[in-house]
Parts: sequence; structure tokens; C-alpha cells
Amino acid sequence: SQQGEEDPQALSIQEGENATMNCSYKTSINNLQWYRQNSGRGLVHLILIRSNEREKHSGRLRVTLDTSKKSSSLLITASRAADTASYFCATDASHSGAGSYQLTFGKGTKLSVIP
Amino acid sequence: DAGITQSPRYKITETGRQVTLMCHQTWSHSYMFWYRQDLGHGLRLIYYSAAADITDKGEVPDGYVVSRSKTENFPLTLESATRSQTSVYFCASRDSAGESNQPQHFGDGTRLSIL
Repeated sequence: SQQGEEDPQALSIQEGENATMNCSYKTSINNLQWYRQNSGRGLVHLILIRSNEREKHSGRLRVTLDTSKKSSSLLITASRAADTASYFCATDASHSGAGSYQLTFGKGTKLSVIP
Repeated sequence: DAGITQSPRYKITETGRQVTLMCHQTWSHSYMFWYRQDLGHGLRLIYYSAAADITDKGEVPDGYVVSRSKTENFPLTLESATRSQTSVYFCASRDSAGESNQPQHFGDGTRLSIL
């Protein structure tokens, strides 16, 4: 079953603008991760935020987590054409035992950055 | 080169045939995963392995078989391929490190078409 759901499904912006993607999930989590997937390639890990953190930065990426609303957002500032990709959130469910290293992925947001 | 590699990258086969997808990682990561990626479904976990000779089912295991005789290899076999198994298959690995706060590292996928 899908744990994370990204919103919007697709986003098109001009180079230099900021891009915001949202993720909602259903159950309690240990952490939430964001991944990027370029066309025809595998997923690449971007950033991980733990359940006791509210905000995290990495370069041009800013991730927030609101566990009370079961939601997260990924902000990419000053976007570049090279940021064009699909972005996925993934949750590590806190309730699982031996399977606690499993991730459940959302369906992704397809970001297009127009030069 | 260190990393995770999948082979073949592309495969076309017929219904009823057996096909094996290979996955090899050079990090000696304990955990390995197989996902399938389909439009409208995102990534879904097929099987995972916590160590050599330890495997377990994920969300969509029916029709698939895995083995893990060596830490670095995690082959996925479709014993009798069906058209519904046409998909892009991704292998991933992660370090155990005693905690869940580790990213997964993905191969570039195998695009499998079943005619």
C-alpha cells in the first residue's frame, strides 16, 4: 500500500524559480527521505529527515517535516535545468519490526525546469 | 568501480519463459531490495534480504523468486513470465549500521518487456 503521496504530480517552472513539492503519509514514521530520479536512471538519495526534526537543509534543498499533519515538503531554491527529474518521498515506518529497513515510496512529482 | 549494477539493462521475452535479473553490489551492504516501477503505482517492493541466505516478501512477491547465496548478489527470477510483469525493475542496497537512518542506493534498472 502506498504510504507517501506527493503533490503535485507534475510541476513546470522557469529556471531560477523555486520549486516546492509536498508529501503526505499515513502512519507513524522513523524518518522520511527524498529521492530524485533522472529519466532512465535509478533513484538517488537527496536528504533524510528524522521524525524528531522539523527542518533540514542541504545545499539548495530545504526539507520540512510536520509529524502532526503527517506531511513533508521539499523546496529546491534557484532551480536549474539540471534539476529536471522526478522526485519521490519515502517513509520508513516505525511500526515494523524486522522489516523496519523497508521504505515505502510515493508516486513522485515530475519537475520540469525550463531554461 | 564501487556501486550497484544491474543486468541486463533491457530484456524482451515471451510469456511463460523464465527470466533472471541480476544485481551486484560492491559495498558489502547487508540489505538488498527489489522494486518494480510502474506508471501510476510508483515503486513497489517485491522482495528484500537482510543478509546472505535471509530473504523476505515485500508488497508484491507473487510470481517472483529470489536468492542470496552471497552478500554481493541478489538475483530476481520470474519463473513463468506474464504480461503483467512488464515493468522496470530496480535493485537497491543499504548499509545496516544498526539503525534505520541509512539511504538506499539504487541501480539503473532493468526494463523488462514480456510479449
